[in-house]
Amino acid sequence: GAGVSQSPSNKVTEKGKDVELRCDPISGHTALYWYRQRLGQGLEFLIYFQGNSAPDKSGLPSDRFSAERTGESVSTLTIQRTQQEDSAVYLCASRGSRLGPGELFFGEGSRLTVL
Amino acid sequence: KQEVTQIPAALSVPEGENLVLNCSFTDSAIYNLQWFRQDPGKGLTSLLLIQSSQREQTSGRLNASLDKSSGRSTLYIAASQPGDSATYLCAVRPGEGTGANSKLTFGKGITLSVRP
Repeated sequence: GAGVSQSPSNKVTEKGKDVELRCDPISGHTALYWYRQRLGQGLEFLIYFQGNSAPDKSGLPSDRFSAERTGESVSTLTIQRTQQEDSAVYLCASRGSRLGPGELFFGEGSRLTVL
Repeated sequence: KQEVTQIPAALSVPEGENLVLNCSFTDSAIYNLQWFRQDPGKGLTSLLLIQSSQREQTSGRLNASLDKSSGRSTLYIAASQPGDSATYLCAVRPGEGTGANSKLTFGKGITLSVRP
């Protein structure tokens, strides 16, 4: 696609429910990132995918968080048993290749509200 | 551990003023530095990307400079307009071989308000 696409744009859920967030990167982009942005806070790294390499999961805050990516296409971020502190905007970004200029492009984000 | 600082957190200027936004980072072993703009409730829009070997990049009224050795970058906005009101973030990507080239580190941003 023309840009990074994320869905849903807004999600309201009850505490304890599971949620799944989706990211469609720019076609051909091998690198994909998930970040979290809490209200009034900076961006917090969650996970990084690069091609077929093992993902860097070091930013995932707990084992309730997981993410998958199918090849170099869609990624899903799953949060199990959601807690109120999971409320945030979840941002996805993609980049063309591991090397090279490396401009990062972001989607509009998925705003998650846990009641 | 790389730390990126943007001070002040907020800035208000009258329309037409030229202004400089600052970004500092603690580890000079970077691959590149990117400036973004974020409007309320939106994602991040890329403004300028500077490679570690470059000193500056320009796009329209924006000019970004990089002094890697001192750990500083500035974003210069000429003739500011109310439409420039947004939060401006800088992010650094670690250099190759540092073992951490996956994690961009972001500053918390500077919220700019340009008064008509």
